[in-house]
Amino acid sequence: AQSVTQLGSHVSVSEGALVLLRCNYSSSVPPYLFWYVQYPNQGLQLLLKYTSAATLVKGINGFEAEFKKSETSFHLTKPSAHMSDAAEYFCAVSGGGNEKLTFGTGTRLTIIP
Amino acid sequence: DAGVIQSPRHEVTEMGQEVTLRCKPISGHNSLFWYRQTMMRGLELLIYFNNNVPIDDSGMPEDRFSAKMPNASFSTLKIQPSEPRDSAVYFCASSPRTGANTEAFFGQGTRLTVV
Repeated sequence: AQSVTQLGSHVSVSEGALVLLRCNYSSSVPPYLFWYVQYPNQGLQLLLKYTSAATLVKGINGFEAEFKKSETSFHLTKPSAHMSDAAEYFCAVSGGGNEKLTFGTGTRLTIIP
Repeated sequence: DAGVIQSPRHEVTEMGQEVTLRCKPISGHNSLFWYRQTMMRGLELLIYFNNNVPIDDSGMPEDRFSAKMPNASFSTLKIQPSEPRDSAVYFCASSPRTGANTEAFFGQGTRLTVV
């Protein structure tokens, strides 16, 4: 079975500050990892994905994430937060030939002006 | 491309009524997923199809729920009879390929309220 744990259901950062959203995974097979963003009353939009090609993955809107096998982590970062980054962020995992995405519980990001 | 299209966007129904949610995946995509999102349980995969064939329906809560994909461009999720605990946002998503490294593209969801 695969799972992801997102630490912190709510994160607040000041505009211009570093954004760090945490995700740890559990998988018995090499995982594929994803970060999605959900704006209010919208569906989920892919930010970035890790598929074993490179451990540091760059995504849209200035976000990036680093796969660390030794720490079983895939944390999402952005150097400088913008007001438009306020949303809910979901980490997800798949693998083992199974394309089912298993999502974490989400982290709501608030940006303080 | 218009993306994944779901209808209706909002549905309010009375307990005991039949509800049908509809989804048109992105053209050319051959995997389709139905998810349910609630505050209590987060995002749950209900069922997914590859090439119109149901592959895994282990997430379907009970017999009141059924899903079909009669062709590559259309899928339905039906709840009969509906109950208040079915109130949630239901998302349809599609993927261009099979395989665990393939991302899913989500529709905007159907917000279902059962009163």
